[in-house]
Amino acid sequence: DGGITQSPKYLFRKEGQNVTLSCEQNLNHDAMYWYRQDPGQGLRLIYYSQIVNDFQKGDIAEGYSVSREKKESFPLTVTSAQKNPTAFYLCASSATQGRGNTEAFFGQGTRLTVV
Amino acid sequence: AQSVSQHNHHVILSEAASLELGCNYSYGGTVNLFWYVQYPGQHLQLLLKYFSGDPLVKGIKGFEAEFIKSKFSFNLRKPSVQWSDTAEYFCAGYNFNKFYFGSGTKLNVKP
Repeated sequence: DGGITQSPKYLFRKEGQNVTLSCEQNLNHDAMYWYRQDPGQGLRLIYYSQIVNDFQKGDIAEGYSVSREKKESFPLTVTSAQKNPTAFYLCASSATQGRGNTEAFFGQGTRLTVV
Repeated sequence: AQSVSQHNHHVILSEAASLELGCNYSYGGTVNLFWYVQYPGQHLQLLLKYFSGDPLVKGIKGFEAEFIKSKFSFNLRKPSVQWSDTAEYFCAGYNFNKFYFGSGTKLNVKP
């Protein structure tokens, strides 16, 4: 089954700790994205990557870091510098890079709660 | 700055009522527009998309959207909603290698 797998589904973190969210895709997509979803704010872009070993900051990158060492994988680290990390995190991927006529495919999401 | 905005944050309808959700985009160049739906507890799914051509786009589950370039709009419509359409709906655009999402509209359909 082709798709995007995010793990874990639920994650609890103590204040001051870093935590890494996993995102794997087997769709052979070049581009991958991380979004944060908060009630009433829609999806806000954290980081995106168009190709292996390259990524760009989105609108709310502060307190987050990513890596793209493999085409299939785009893990997101929520660092202790992120002031309000409790949220629902969505990973997405899309086929074409640098051109239009594409669509985003989403994972099931990870709900992160800081305790 | 590129953005997508949705006018309605929460809509409540009775079954069989007609639906129209507003969406406006504010960027130029190539226009790729989408509507996604998020059913409770499920991942975002694509309802329909517009890249070019016929501005009236048909999607899944009886949804359609009309691209009106002069109004920078891409409103979602459905003639008769069902209880199973209860979900959150997101309008999105694709520009400069990024997808931009609106703030979402929660639709509650009463049986």
